Amino acid sequence: NAGVTQTPKFQVLKTGQSMTLQCAQDMNHNSMYWYRQDPGMGLRLIYYSASEGTTDKGEVPNGYNVSRLNKREFSLRLESAAPSQTSVYFCASSEAVAGGPTDTQYFGPGTRLTVL
Amino acid sequence: DAKTTQPNSMESNEEEPVHLPCNHSTISGTDYIHWYRQLPSQGPEYVIHGLTSNVNNRMASLAIAEDRKSSTLILHRATLRDAAVYYCILRVPVGTGNQFYFGTGTSLTVIP
Repeated sequence: NAGVTQTPKFQVLKTGQSMTLQCAQDMNHNSMYWYRQDPGMGLRLIYYSASEGTTDKGEVPNGYNVSRLNKREFSLRLESAAPSQTSVYFCASSEAVAGGPTDTQYFGPGTRLTVL
Repeated sequence: DAKTTQPNSMESNEEEPVHLPCNHSTISGTDYIHWYRQLPSQGPEYVIHGLTSNVNNRMASLAIAEDRKSSTLILHRATLRDAAVYYCILRVPVGTGNQFYFGTGTSLTVIP
């Protein structure tokens, strides 16, 4: 099992360019998440998908869109990149039974994005 | 406002116990307390979680206050490999799934 995989690992964009970050999991998890991590800020939720076919905004959704392509894949798109979106982006997945006792998250290795 | 608050940093001597505190005064009855840690240049990894009772696993112990407004992650014997940022998280049921609210983390330094 690869767990959670993310591509690319590194990316440099110019202001105004667009790109899509890809995430896939092979654990048959229901929920998938996108976070960003900035120095001293911990992880902040951008969007999540509780189950296939649903997506919801998190704490910092502005400037991003997501697609839950199927149960395995959850992509994050930056339509017009801005320097404020320079960050490390993490994808995560979880089995997700609301309030269930065992649900934990599994994280990918991250994508380091720089917007010039 | 952050759902959890933690000290920014802590130090420990190698092979000594470490107690990492966390406050979560607005916790609800259905919210689980999770701890994750993040090694440099890696994604966070699960450490332990609990609801009301203290929990033990091979990595650590979790002590939860009776009123559930605070908790403590206990590493029984710190090793150099335990140097990481430790995050205290509330897992909140939302719809058919759960959201995980991260604090800003405690950076643990282990001194040889």
